[in-house]
Amino acid sequence: AQKVTQAQTEISVVEKEDVTLDCVYETRDTTYYLFWYKQPPSGELVFLIRRNSFDEQNEISGRYSWNFQKSTSSFNFTITASQVVDSAVYFCALSEGGGATNKLIFGTGTLLAVQP
Amino acid sequence: AAGVIQSPRHLIKEKRETATLKCYPIPRHDTVYWYQQGPGQDPQFLISFYEKMQSDKGSIPDRFSAQQFSDYHSELNMSSLELGDSALYFCASRNVLDRHNTLTEAFFGQGTRLTVV
Repeated sequence: AQKVTQAQTEISVVEKEDVTLDCVYETRDTTYYLFWYKQPPSGELVFLIRRNSFDEQNEISGRYSWNFQKSTSSFNFTITASQVVDSAVYFCALSEGGGATNKLIFGTGTLLAVQP
Repeated sequence: AAGVIQSPRHLIKEKRETATLKCYPIPRHDTVYWYQQGPGQDPQFLISFYEKMQSDKGSIPDRFSAQQFSDYHSELNMSSLELGDSALYFCASRNVLDRHNTLTEAFFGQGTRLTVV
């Protein structure tokens, strides 16, 4: 069965601090996809990144970076020099590849509060 | 760029009433998903459609049904509403496979906030 664990329920940092959001996943498939979504207070779900199981290359996009490690089944997300606008709930999600069972399974989310 | 459109944005219903939520996916997307997100919870998968056929089913109550129409829009019908149905309901769409034959990201609508009183 597939499962996503975000052990950090809430994180509070002060602006300009770096922060890492943890994500650990479980799946029996060899082909799978991992995602991060941001849910700001306004409620919409905003796509941030997709990574497939064959691509362990880390990615950086501006202040955001992602560290995918298959050996530890982790897909962690780091925000560098955090800003108040980064305050949101962040969800890590997993889809198993192929066929009809490609629904997103979400973790329980991490609420990030960035204080000015 | 066109996004996923959901209507209405807010809905207030009384217990035992019915509600219909609508979703207009991004043009040319072949898959639609419905999710339910309770207060402080993660989104829970309800049901999905691929090319207008139901493709997967999650924790959708028997009181709920959904369909996808010929124009690809989808509707979630909810009957005998209960207080516990109060939640944010998301629709998402994607083209399952991109030109590299890999799974794409799902794009979410802004959600319909249903309040049952």
